[in-house]
Amino acid sequence: DAGVIQSPRHEVTEMGQEVTLRCKPISGHNSLFWYRQTMMRGLELLIYFNNNVPIDDSGMPEDRFSAKMPNASFSTLKIQPSEPRDSAVYFCASIAGGSDTQYFGPGTRLTVL
Amino acid sequence: SQQGEEDPQALSIQEGENATMNCSYKTSINNLQWYRQNSGRGLVHLILIRSNEREKHSGRLRVTLDTSKKSSSLLITASRAADTASYFCATDASSYKLIFGSGTRLLVRP
Repeated sequence: DAGVIQSPRHEVTEMGQEVTLRCKPISGHNSLFWYRQTMMRGLELLIYFNNNVPIDDSGMPEDRFSAKMPNASFSTLKIQPSEPRDSAVYFCASIAGGSDTQYFGPGTRLTVL
Repeated sequence: SQQGEEDPQALSIQEGENATMNCSYKTSINNLQWYRQNSGRGLVHLILIRSNEREKHSGRLRVTLDTSKKSSSLLITASRAADTASYFCATDASSYKLIFGSGTRLLVRP
């Protein structure tokens, strides 16, 4: 099993640009999470999908952030327009139905200049 | 505010020694989990302990849970340089939502 796959691994962009982060969950997992990790705020849950439907997006910082899950094997997190304070490591995680264990991807390190 | 808070924030030990990390939380839980994060990597699940359990073992890991004190500890015995990482506790705020602590950075010196 390849595990959770995220791309790109690193992204450097300029303020105001659109950024799209991608995630492929583990096959068969029916829940997907997007997290953001910073030194100041630690690991924060941004949004949670169950069976491709957004269930809880209360952690999404503001309207500049949006997430989609068009099918069971793909999700995107988009920031438009990006700002320097969005610089962080963004993780995707997936979980199988009935399990308590989340499997994390390697993360995308985003730097907004 | 964060549900879980780890203590200490950083720990440096010699290879072969035991490492103990503590986690305190604020509200009632169904289970508590410990994760490890190597530098530049994602989190890896280590062990889960349910609210009706007091102690659990997995290899060199020993986790305890005291629900009356709302605290948990993670003990790594006979530490190795490869154990160098950050360790996070996570509590379940709901059926799906995990709240992660701020983590303990462990350095195991060869």
